[in-house]
Amino acid sequence: AQTVTQSQPEMSVQEAETVTLSCTYDTSESNYYLFWYKQPPSRQMILVIRQEAYKQQNATENRFSVNFQKAAKSFSLKISDSQLGDTAMYFCAFNMGSNYQLIWGAGTKLIIKP
Amino acid sequence: GAGVSQSPRYKVAKRGQDVALRCDPISGHVSLFWYQQALGQGPEFLTYFQNEAQLDKSGLPSDRFFAERPEGSVSTLKIQRTQQEDSAVYLCASSPTGINYGYTFGSGTRLTVV
Repeated sequence: AQTVTQSQPEMSVQEAETVTLSCTYDTSESNYYLFWYKQPPSRQMILVIRQEAYKQQNATENRFSVNFQKAAKSFSLKISDSQLGDTAMYFCAFNMGSNYQLIWGAGTKLIIKP
Repeated sequence: GAGVSQSPRYKVAKRGQDVALRCDPISGHVSLFWYQQALGQGPEFLTYFQNEAQLDKSGLPSDRFFAERPEGSVSTLKIQRTQQEDSAVYLCASSPTGINYGYTFGSGTRLTVV
């Protein structure tokens, strides 16, 4: 069975600092997709970044980047120059290339302090 | 519409009451998903529609849960004889295609069964 593990229940950093959120997953598939979603108090899940497993190059979206280590089954999210608006729950999610279901981690609560 | 709209935003139900949760996806989106998110956890898949066809309902926790999307647009998740363990946020997401590109989520319905 596929699983996603986020080992940091909560993290807190000062505004403008860089923070890295960890995610590991377990699968025997070779073709899959990984996602980071942000869930602010409004509850809406917002896609932050997406990575295809067959791509070696790490995905980046402005201040957000990932460190994808396929052999280690690790998919961490780095947020540079953190902003107060980054405060939210962050979820790592996974789905197989042949399936549409997202498998989710338990989330990391990120607090950006002024 | 511009985004995925869910209503009501909050619902309090007495144990044993039937409830209906509505999801209005982005216009033209073929795929629609329902997820259940218990407090402090990541979402869990409930069911998937492609247009009006319910292709997967394997995540529905019991036969008290029923979902429909009769015209391939608006979807309703119905829970009969609600129990306390049904208390959760119910998230709806839509996608122009079935898989892998990330989904647009609504803000969810928070159901509290008392």
